[in-house]
Amino acid sequence: GIQVEQSPPDLILQEGANSTLRCNFSDSVNNLQWFHQNPWGQLINLFYIPSGTKQNGRLSATTVATERYSLLYISSSQTTDSGVYFCAVEQRFGAGTRLTVKP
Amino acid sequence: DTEVTQTPKHLVMGMTNKKSLKCEQHMGHRAMYWYKQKAKKPPELMFVYSYEKLSINESVPSRFSPECPNSSLLNLHLHALQPEDSALYLCASSQPGLAVPYFGPGTRLTVT
Repeated sequence: GIQVEQSPPDLILQEGANSTLRCNFSDSVNNLQWFHQNPWGQLINLFYIPSGTKQNGRLSATTVATERYSLLYISSSQTTDSGVYFCAVEQRFGAGTRLTVKP
Repeated sequence: DTEVTQTPKHLVMGMTNKKSLKCEQHMGHRAMYWYKQKAKKPPELMFVYSYEKLSINESVPSRFSPECPNSSLLNLHLHALQPEDSALYLCASSQPGLAVPYFGPGTRLTVT
């Protein structure tokens, strides 16, 4: 099956900093999504982005399908951005990036 | 209504018990999913129902038995579970195919 790798596994930021999270996948995809899981376990869908670029407030994502990677950008990070960010490809989740934003 | 609800929120059961997890959505979605998530791990796909028919079973042990009685409801029947089955069980729904799944808040299961 398709392999999904995320990096970095852990990221600690000071409030206000910017960050880039990466998702590599092993095959062509029709369905790629980014999720944020909050400390209570709720998974929130951030982007459905099998290709191209999307932006939503301080978050944006880019998927380069031909090169089999996707990037999630978080700008001006806030403490509420803390949690785990998952990339999911064809209903398969990567291992996630655990983000901690310190005040 | 863009909500997937799951009951109960928490469940503690013994290894000889039989219990069921329930998931409900009223978004008109025709695909529903069960995922299992262990602590500090990503969600793992267990089952997918499409148009009320089981379309994917990821080699899940038979002590987990899914049921989709109608297009809005998804159950997961549990029997003779092991302590290692303790996890967060997440339900999701979407339109079949290339659609964005909406996740419920999960049921945190502890098997004693």
